[in-house]
Amino acid sequence: QVQLVQSGSELKEPGASVDVSCKTSGYTFSAYIMNWVRQAPGRGLEWMGSINPNTGNPTYAQGFTGRFVFSLDTSVSTAYLQISGLKSEDTAVYYCARTLDFYCVGSSCQKRFDYWGQGALVTVSS
Amino acid sequence: DIQMTQSPSSLSASVGDSVTITCRASQNIYTYLNWYQQKPGKAPKVLIFGASDLQSGVPSRFSGSGSGTDFTLTIRSLQPEDFAAYFCQQSYSVPLTFGGGTKVEIK
Repeated sequence: QVQLVQSGSELKEPGASVDVSCKTSGYTFSAYIMNWVRQAPGRGLEWMGSINPNTGNPTYAQGFTGRFVFSLDTSVSTAYLQISGLKSEDTAVYYCARTLDFYCVGSSCQKRFDYWGQGALVTVSS
Repeated sequence: DIQMTQSPSSLSASVGDSVTITCRASQNIYTYLNWYQQKPGKAPKVLIFGASDLQSGVPSRFSGSGSGTDFTLTIRSLQPEDFAAYFCQQSYSVPLTFGGGTKVEIK
């Protein structure tokens, strides 16, 4: 069965860096785009961007450029999120989520996030 | 960017009630609209995709409708396990934006 298992909670000081991993199993890793979604405490869902495991090409949403880096290790079917220069406002749960394309017309497809990791809480505090 | 506006932000209802949540897109997104349910401490789960198609395994008391800019999620005969937060999401264009969420609470 498809599984996305994320690394555990992290407590970091402002200015530090953090790596969040998302280890996948049960499907062909290179066949599905991986997304990262942020949820600040008590807030909604915010799409940070995605990475194509086939090409390694990342797409970043506005507000998630510069300090945020998506990467992959296809040999272990794992996606990574690195955040550098941590700020208190980065305190959030970070989810990885797989994109499933459907109802495609030519190269244009609808998308839904059909499998999610369990989330990784990153707390930034001195 | 396409803005997704959900209403209400919260509602109180009783077991057995029917509830409707609305989601409005800032531009035409055809049926590129998904609904997710999120319970406290858990990852979101997709309920409805393509505005009205039920995800496998989701109870039929959940239904979605709409196209263009206005969409609704209806839950008939609320069950105790339905008390959760619900989010809409558009997949018409990047960035893939979510609505602000609706928290369904027990009255």
